[in-house]
Amino acid sequence: DIQVTQSPSSLSASVGDRVTITCRASQSISSYLNWYQQTPGKAPKLLIYIASTLESGVPSRFSGSGSATDYTLTITSLQPEDFATYFCQQSYTMPYTFGQGTQLEI
Amino acid sequence: QVQLQESGPGLVKPSETLSLTCTVSGATISSHYWSWIRQSAGKGLEWIGRIYTSGKTNYNPSLKSRVTMSGDTSKNQFSLELSSVTAADTAVYYCARDSRRSGPYYNPYWYSDLWGRGTLVTVSS
Repeated sequence: DIQVTQSPSSLSASVGDRVTITCRASQSISSYLNWYQQTPGKAPKLLIYIASTLESGVPSRFSGSGSATDYTLTITSLQPEDFATYFCQQSYTMPYTFGQGTQLEI
Repeated sequence: QVQLQESGPGLVKPSETLSLTCTVSGATISSHYWSWIRQSAGKGLEWIGRIYTSGKTNYNPSLKSRVTMSGDTSKNQFSLELSSVTAADTAVYYCARDSRRSGPYYNPYWYSDLWGRGTLVTVSS
């Protein structure tokens, strides 16, 4: 299985800040990388797919980048509703695997 | 608006079979692809498998011997069965809709663009 290492596991920030979350795959996954947001009691939400394609309806302050083994989720100008847990997922090969998550706290 | 809702017993005894259903509203299951994903404190998020519009399935090899997914178009539901459960199968189980975009070398880009809220299943006697 492809291992996906996500960092940091937790992150403290303030409203208006810019934050970056990183995922590293154990082999090249050629942009087969998705990002999700999870808030307690709600369904996980797709933010970005194919490493950098913004899902419809997702604010433009979210962006994704990367290639090969290294990928980044960037959130500019944090809003109160952005404080949540973020996960990456590789879909290059089955079984699809997820990062361990990053909890973004105020 | 498409919505997914997981349902099933919240408590299952060890060695028994876990059975969950995902009810889809706002879309027909025969027009999309569907998956199951679970989340536990110990293992994080774990992809369980996918069922295609044809009824074909792909399962996580780590669970393959115990997993069955199926769809019921008359009820617009799809289901998950996991046999011989142990405490390690305690988790929140999510159903999700999968979508894809063309990718290189006949390998589509897959992603789960809509999820249910999840249902907690505890395995305990």
